[in-house]
Amino acid sequence: ETGVTQSPTHLIKTRGQQVTLRCSSQSGHNTVSWYQQALGQGPQFIFQYYREEENGRGNFPPRFSGLQFPNYSSELNVNALELDDSALYLCASSWGLETQYFGPGTRLLVL
Amino acid sequence: AQTVTQSQPEMSVQEAETVTLSCTYDTSESDYYLFWYKQPPSRQMILVIRQEAYKQQNATENRFSVNFQKAAKSFSLKISDSQLGDAAMYFCAYRSLRGAQKLVFGQGTRLTINP
Repeated sequence: ETGVTQSPTHLIKTRGQQVTLRCSSQSGHNTVSWYQQALGQGPQFIFQYYREEENGRGNFPPRFSGLQFPNYSSELNVNALELDDSALYLCASSWGLETQYFGPGTRLLVL
Repeated sequence: AQTVTQSQPEMSVQEAETVTLSCTYDTSESDYYLFWYKQPPSRQMILVIRQEAYKQQNATENRFSVNFQKAAKSFSLKISDSQLGDAAMYFCAYRSLRGAQKLVFGQGTRLTINP
């Protein structure tokens, strides 16, 4: 059974740029959730996708957007990057309401 | 909105000893899930244990057990026979059964194991 994978592992961008982060869900999982974890903090929920539809959103601006594909993999897109977007971005997959399993994360640094 | 509070930013324990990490939460719901996740320096969030609110019996996974006090909204994690590999950030998390199945995390407790 393949676990949750994320790419890239690290990324450096400059303010104002756009970034796309990718997540492959664990085999058999149909739900993907994205979280932002600032340094020294607990993760904060960004949004969730279930069967290719957004299934809930946290308190993040519209420049954070996402997609889920028919194979249940997912992308997180962030436009007009700001310094405060520097964080670890975590993807978690689950089968419906079941327990979420996390990927290793993507570390984004915005300069 | 639900909140989760971990009042111990750091804890340390001697190898082979027992340590308890505290977590309290606030909710008006009666059915929900609670979790403890471990995040080692490798960054990957690893599930330690899960508790369903409707179950009165405390969850146990090998050396890890919880003390779930629903009325007090308390959910502590006990680690027995601590091992060096247990060193990590530990996060308590709440999940509602309504709406998006999002996890609400506490601020975390950094656990150090002293050899």
